[in-house]
Amino acid sequence: GQNIDQPTEMTATEGAIVQINCTYQTSGFNGLFWYQQHAGEAPTFLSYNVLDGLEEKGRFSSFLSRSKGYSYLLLKELQMKDSASYLCAVKDSNYQLIWGAGTKLIIKP
Amino acid sequence: GAVVSQHPSWVICKSGTSVKIECRSLDFQATTMFWYRQFPKQSLMLMATSNEGSKATYEQGVEKDKFLINHASLTLSTLTVTSAHPEDSSFYICSQTGTGGADTQYFGPGTRLTVL
Repeated sequence: GQNIDQPTEMTATEGAIVQINCTYQTSGFNGLFWYQQHAGEAPTFLSYNVLDGLEEKGRFSSFLSRSKGYSYLLLKELQMKDSASYLCAVKDSNYQLIWGAGTKLIIKP
Repeated sequence: GAVVSQHPSWVICKSGTSVKIECRSLDFQATTMFWYRQFPKQSLMLMATSNEGSKATYEQGVEKDKFLINHASLTLSTLTVTSAHPEDSSFYICSQTGTGGADTQYFGPGTRLTVL
């Protein structure tokens, strides 16, 4: 079967750095997405990786290793507004998007 | 990217009534839109893929007669929850692929449905 694993919840301190991991087992791979979802709101697109390596976008970076079936989202200089759920999603060989359950990130002052 | 709107943002209805949710693409013509459902503290669940001018493709386990999807134009797709019951209470979100490449999906703000 197809599976996306993320930690359920993480806690970090304002101003710090946090890394949210995502591992996947899917039938094929055509890209990995990270989305941010604040409580009660719809997801917003953060990043897309299809090749191995690190993609940096401001305070957020996303890393992919296809051989390991692994990605992480790195958030730097954490702000209180970064408190949200972070969803990892993988596009499989049929271009179907497989969603992880999300990681709830709690930022403490 | 893409800008997607949904209406209504929330709705409360009595059991047995039907509810229509609209999803509009405001800046991009969308031949394909996606409808998701999300229960509290759970991940997104794809319900169906809505194709302009043709029948929607439903995911396994989703009743097409209960969740009617119409995609009559390139900018509008509607989801009608027919004869809604309390177990249909959920957060319904539509999305479309935009100009971000790689078929990145951009989501509408969602509709919270509460069935009493």
